[in-house]
Amino acid sequence: GAVVSQHPSWVICKSGTSVKIECRSLDFQATTMFWYRQFPKQSLMLMATSNEGSKATYEQGVEKDKFLINHASLTLSTLTVTSAHPEDSSFYICSAKPRDYEQYFGPGTRLTVT
Amino acid sequence: GQNIDQPTEMTATEGAIVQINCTYQTSGFNGLFWYQQHAGEAPTFLSYNVLDGLEEKGRFSSFLSRSKGYSYLLLKELQMKDSASYLCAVVDSNYQLIWGAGTKLIIKP
Repeated sequence: GAVVSQHPSWVICKSGTSVKIECRSLDFQATTMFWYRQFPKQSLMLMATSNEGSKATYEQGVEKDKFLINHASLTLSTLTVTSAHPEDSSFYICSAKPRDYEQYFGPGTRLTVT
Repeated sequence: GQNIDQPTEMTATEGAIVQINCTYQTSGFNGLFWYQQHAGEAPTFLSYNVLDGLEEKGRFSSFLSRSKGYSYLLLKELQMKDSASYLCAVVDSNYQLIWGAGTKLIIKP
């Protein structure tokens, strides 16, 4: 099956610093990847759709200047949380679509901002 | 607005059968997913329904009725490892995934 990896799996950073999370599709090419955020005991919330070679499409209420997305190649998308604050602490999950409807998720990255 | 409803929590006994319901009201419909998510992990794909009826896959089955805006996930021969959250998600007319809040399933011995 299709495999999506994320790095790092967990990160602790100080308030005001920036953190970069990588999402890779290991055995398929993905023109579109998705970034989600999940707070404890809540459902997944789509943050943005990352398109290879073009700007990401952000969901309403998501600050594009704070959550920088770069889809550098057909197998790599990165999410950078800039000037992180404690309220940004969350579980960040990426996903990619090798086919029309299937969507495979990365293992997630747990971010804790102190 | 778009809305997906699932029970917040369910409890079942090991070896039994449990049915998790999902009702939806979305702008258009292009399929419904069920995902399993263990605590602290990303969701894993269980099933995809786009036509009415029952899809069986081992111990898990998923049912869809588009006219009723209703789906259920049926888990048979429950095992302790089935304790997880089960997420219902609908693909709307813009091919966006609309997520339910998930149902936490607790399995007791």
